[in-house]
Amino acid sequence: ELKVEQNPLFLSMQEGKNYTIYCNYSTTSDRLYWYRQDPGKSLESLFVLLSNGAVKQEGRLMASLDTKARLSTLHITAAVHDLSATYFCAVGEIRDDKIIFGKGTRLHILP
Amino acid sequence: DTGVSQDPRHKITKRGQNVTFRCDPISEHNRLYWYRQTLGQGPEFLTYFQNEAQLEKSRLLSDRFSAERPKGSFSTLEIQRTEQGDSAMYLCASSWAGGGNTIYFGEGSWLTVV
Repeated sequence: ELKVEQNPLFLSMQEGKNYTIYCNYSTTSDRLYWYRQDPGKSLESLFVLLSNGAVKQEGRLMASLDTKARLSTLHITAAVHDLSATYFCAVGEIRDDKIIFGKGTRLHILP
Repeated sequence: DTGVSQDPRHKITKRGQNVTFRCDPISEHNRLYWYRQTLGQGPEFLTYFQNEAQLEKSRLLSDRFSAERPKGSFSTLEIQRTEQGDSAMYLCASSWAGGGNTIYFGEGSWLTVV
């Protein structure tokens, strides 16, 4: 059974700092997703990563995938308050159409 | 392309009543998913459709839950004889079939069972 673990689960950081969220998964996968969720809102798609070594960047967020280590990272550069949200990774197993979510990382950026 | 829409957005119901949620996916998306999310947790997979065929149901989905997608367009999720443990946000999502396509989520339907 596929398990997805994120850490940390909660992160409070100062504006302007850099930090990384980690997503580990337990079985072979062919796709990994990162989503953002604001309180009381739905999930906004950030990145879809499909191959080993894939790296995608959007603004201050950069996501990477290492399929051999079964690890994805979401790196935040020079954090700003607007990035405060909960970030989820979700993983799809090969030949399985659904995706399984981690518990999320609640990010709080202090001004 | 108006996105995935869900209705109602909020529902308060008494224990034992039946509730139904509707999801309209992005037009022409052939895959439709239902997830459930409780406070402080990640979304949990419930079921999904490809066109009108329901291809997988989670073990979490008890016999009180049923989902349909009769013409391969909109979908309904019905919960019979609601229990307090059913209180959650029910999320619908849609995508094109094929690995690696973005899965787009709706705003969710909040259910409170009192």
